[in-house]
Amino acid sequence: EVQLVETGGGLVQPGGSLRLSCAASGFIFTRFALSWVRRAPGKGLEWVSSISGSGSSTYYADSVKGRLTISRDNSKNTVYLQMESLRVEDTAIYYCAKDMGSGYVDYWGQGSLVTVSP
Amino acid sequence: QPVVTQPSSASAALGSSVTLTCTLTGGHSDYNVAWHQQQPGKAPRYLMKVERSGNYNKGGGVPDRFSGSSSGADRSLTISNVQFEDEADYYCETWNSQVFGGGTRLTVL
Repeated sequence: EVQLVETGGGLVQPGGSLRLSCAASGFIFTRFALSWVRRAPGKGLEWVSSISGSGSSTYYADSVKGRLTISRDNSKNTVYLQMESLRVEDTAIYYCAKDMGSGYVDYWGQGSLVTVSP
Repeated sequence: QPVVTQPSSASAALGSSVTLTCTLTGGHSDYNVAWHQQQPGKAPRYLMKVERSGNYNKGGGVPDRFSGSSSGADRSLTISNVQFEDEADYYCETWNSQVFGGGTRLTVL
């Protein structure tokens, strides 16, 4: 059974930092890209970042480029999202999502709430 | 990159059928999409991938009441015999997960 478990969310002040983790199980970790997708209050789903199975390729939404960094540790079956220079508009539930192998999400984590507030 | 357009809301009577549509624009009408359901207070759930051909592949445990179809730039999700638990936000996704539609909120009457 595929499982994606996010941890690391919380309350942080504007300009602060946070690191989200997503522990994965139930599939061959290195074979699949993983993404972070967020949902801000009152808004829809928004793609944030993706990383290839090997970790050699990373992709970012323009809204987070230069502030958020995605990485993965294939020895720990874990993907990370390092968040720097956080803004109020980064407040959202952040979901870890697994790619099915053809560029579409087939599994989601339960989400981790990040609140950026003075 | 493609733009995906979805109606912001839809409604359906209990036991009826409803079709939700996402439209691919920006010269990308040949792309496939994936549909996801997000019930209130829950994480999103993958429903199916709908191809340009109209073929669709559902995720595990998705009821038979859910089906997909395609016509031109439209990729559709049809729910038959709508149930109260189908009340949710429905999103389509494309282009290596980097594009999501704005979502359609389905209300069951």
